[in-house]
Amino acid sequence: KNQVEQSPQSLIILEGKNCTLQCNYTVSPFSNLRWYKQDTGRGPVSLTIMTFSENTKSNGRYTATLDADTKQSSLHITASQLSDSASYICVVSRSASKIIFGSGTRLSIRP
Amino acid sequence: GAGVSQSPRYKVAKRGQDVALRCDPISGHVSLFWYQQALGQGPEFLTYFQNEAQLDKSGLPSDRFFAERPEGSVSTLKIQRTQQEDSAVYLCASSLGAQDLYGYTFGSGTRLTVV
Repeated sequence: KNQVEQSPQSLIILEGKNCTLQCNYTVSPFSNLRWYKQDTGRGPVSLTIMTFSENTKSNGRYTATLDADTKQSSLHITASQLSDSASYICVVSRSASKIIFGSGTRLSIRP
Repeated sequence: GAGVSQSPRYKVAKRGQDVALRCDPISGHVSLFWYQQALGQGPEFLTYFQNEAQLDKSGLPSDRFFAERPEGSVSTLKIQRTQQEDSAVYLCASSLGAQDLYGYTFGSGTRLTVV
């Protein structure tokens, strides 16, 4: 079955600290993997997109990694800020319309 | 417009009532998606349009759900005889091209509560 699993479900860290969110997937065939940030009451906003041949992609303080062999991805957030509090969703595409979302990691940044 | 616009933002419906949710994608975007997001969960795919053609409706949970995009721009998701389990946020996303390497832009969603 095509699945995307994320861990942890929720995470609380202090402002300024780093954190890493995990995504494991069993989706096949694989087209690309994206990380989205979803603020409460808003739609998801894309952070990074990686294809099969890419193993790292950065967007400011966000760095995503991809290991296509083990079907694992991570999102590392450096020097967290209060505005980073949100849900982070891992999304794996099989094709243009076959897109599988993870349930997300709810991240809370404490001052 | 600058982004994907969805209306209404909130909708409360009595069980059995019909509802219509609107999505205005970014002008010129070919692809349009509808997703259903339950509380604390990731979005679940409902249906996909390429221009006016509904290419995939495999995610629609029952025949009470119907979506259309008659002119290849604005789309409407209609839910007939709403049930409590239909309560969720309904997200619309659009993409410039037909290939999935284009970025998706999501609207803020419509929160539907069936009472």
